Amino acid sequence: AQSVSQHNHHVILSEAASLELGCNYSYGGTVNLFWYVQYPGQHLQLLLKYFSGDPLVKGIKGFEAEFIKSKFSFNLRKPSVQWSDTAEYFCAVGSGGSYIPTFGRGTSLIVHP
Amino acid sequence: DAGVTQSPTHLIKTRGQQVTLRCSPKSGHDTVSWYQQALGQGPQFIFQYYEEEERQRGNFPDRFSGHQFPNYSSELNVNALLLGDSALYLCASSLDRGISDTQYFGPGTRLTVL
Repeated sequence: AQSVSQHNHHVILSEAASLELGCNYSYGGTVNLFWYVQYPGQHLQLLLKYFSGDPLVKGIKGFEAEFIKSKFSFNLRKPSVQWSDTAEYFCAVGSGGSYIPTFGRGTSLIVHP
Repeated sequence: DAGVTQSPTHLIKTRGQQVTLRCSPKSGHDTVSWYQQALGQGPQFIFQYYEEEERQRGNFPDRFSGHQFPNYSSELNVNALLLGDSALYLCASSLDRGISDTQYFGPGTRLTVL
């Protein structure tokens, strides 16, 4: 069974700092990749997704992620975080053509104003 | 346009009991997936319903069962509850099994088993 690893469980940043959250997966075949976000008190929602094409994917709210196939990685980045980015971030991977994602355990991001 | 709704919001049961959770998908969506999210963990896929049939299933025992109605709403049933079943249960809806559309998640039902 495939697994999804998010290396940073808790990240604390000041506003305007740059963000990179790591995500690695174990499956070697075709993958569909997702980043979801859960803001305090809100539903889980999609930030961005990669199915094929340009490995640099741009999502909502200034987030982007890069798919590096050779490294089995799909890291999330934002050049300058805001206090409103405080949330739980989940990486998810669908393997073998599946659109059913396997989720990582999540990274809690706190941004201090 | 209403998003995904779930009921109830919270539920407390005792070991051995049975529970039914409900989900109404986003308008226009025909596929419903259920996830279990334990504290401090990411959501784990339970199963997906499409055209009133279970189409895919994750690594969960038969105590977990479901149903999808003609209006695409869905129920998750858990029998013989265990303490370890305490979790947030999320419903997600999509179009065409998620192949052509993103999954939209509901707010979840918090189940506590005592």
